[in-house]
Amino acid sequence: GNSVTQMEGPVTLSEEAFLTINCTYTATGYPSLFWYVQYPGEGLQLLLKATKADDKGSNKGFEATYRKETTSFHLEKGSVQVSDSAVYFCALVDAGGTSYGKLTFGQGTILTVHP
Amino acid sequence: KAGVTQTPRYLIKTRGQQVTLSCSPISGHRSVSWYQQTPGQGLQFLFEYFSETQRNKGNFPGRFSGRQFSNSRSEMNVSTLELGDSALYLCASSPSPLDRSTDTQYFGPGTRLTVL
Repeated sequence: GNSVTQMEGPVTLSEEAFLTINCTYTATGYPSLFWYVQYPGEGLQLLLKATKADDKGSNKGFEATYRKETTSFHLEKGSVQVSDSAVYFCALVDAGGTSYGKLTFGQGTILTVHP
Repeated sequence: KAGVTQTPRYLIKTRGQQVTLSCSPISGHRSVSWYQQTPGQGLQFLFEYFSETQRNKGNFPGRFSGRQFSNSRSEMNVSTLELGDSALYLCASSPSPLDRSTDTQYFGPGTRLTVL
């Protein structure tokens, strides 16, 4: 079946530091890949997505590239801010017509950014 | 365009009771999925509805059920509540079934259920 593995957290950084959160996946079909972010007390917000190999998703300074050869979708940001403190989830959907509305999520990575 | 709305935002129930949660998708979205989020298990898929039909169901007991109305609004019901049902229940909608590579699910703020 499908699965997503994220790097263990929590991750603690100083403001303006470089961020990488690793994400690898296992999928039987041709998945689309997503990063969602969850701020305290809120639901999930879509951060970025990529739908095929070598696609790069980007939003608000965050980037992730769909690497089929390494089955990875690592999240990066060049300079984090205190406001980026949140929980980040990597997720996939098998777009081969069998997912029927189901996203498969990683366990989430807590990011804390200090001033 | 308004986002996904969920009501109520918070609920406190006691063991053995039942509860109904409501979700209104983004206007024009016809697919609604539900997820349970807990610290121990993370985000787990409950079920998905499209055009009033449940097309997929996660590995949850039959106490968890749902339905979708003709206007795409959805409800989920949990009967005979257990302490372990305490969780954040998230609803997500997408324009069409999440089977095409271009589709994306958008999430509501969730309903925080506490079972005492």
